[in-house]
Amino acid sequence: AQKITQTQPGMFVQEKEAVTLDCTYDTSDPSYGLFWYKQPSSGEMIFLIYQGSYDQQNATEGRYSLNFQKARKSANLVISASQLGDSAMYFCAMRVIYNQGGKLIFGQGTELSVKP
Amino acid sequence: NAGVTQTPKFQVLKTGQSMTLQCAQDMNHNSMYWYRQDPGMGLRLIYYSASEGTTDKGEVPNGYNVSRLNKREFSLRLESAAPSQTSVYFCASSEGAGMSNQPQHFGDGTRLSIL
Repeated sequence: AQKITQTQPGMFVQEKEAVTLDCTYDTSDPSYGLFWYKQPSSGEMIFLIYQGSYDQQNATEGRYSLNFQKARKSANLVISASQLGDSAMYFCAMRVIYNQGGKLIFGQGTELSVKP
Repeated sequence: NAGVTQTPKFQVLKTGQSMTLQCAQDMNHNSMYWYRQDPGMGLRLIYYSASEGTTDKGEVPNGYNVSRLNKREFSLRLESAAPSQTSVYFCASSEGAGMSNQPQHFGDGTRLSIL
């Protein structure tokens, strides 16, 4: 079965510090994509970063990077230099080709709070 | 930059009433999706349309129907609303169902309460 697990329901980080949000996944399909989304309190889902299963290098997008460890089936999100506006729910998700139209399989999310 | 537009943003229904949630995207995407988000959970797929003219059930389709009106529009209908359908509903779109490297782009969601 394909599954995403996020084991941290809530996290706190001091402003300007780095934080790592954990994500492990389970799939037997060799081709898949891993995504992180941010959901602020206003409710919208914002795409942050993508990592492909065949990518050799870790993905980076500005202050976001994805620590991809394929053998351990983990795809942790690292946010550098946290800002107050980073306070939100963060969802890890996986997409497998032709699995129900390429649906996203979501974890339960991690609520990040950035302290001033 | 409209992206994915959902209407309405909020709705309160009584048990047994029907309603249609509308979704439109302007990114020329082939695939569209309806998800629901319940408290403390990630999103779960209700229905999807891999391409214009096709629709299929997702993980939690009971009590819902969908229509892919054209390439841009994908609507979700509740025929007889039940309190268990109280949720936040998200519409999403992406370039293609067979492209695992493409993100899905989401609308702002519809908060639906069934009394």
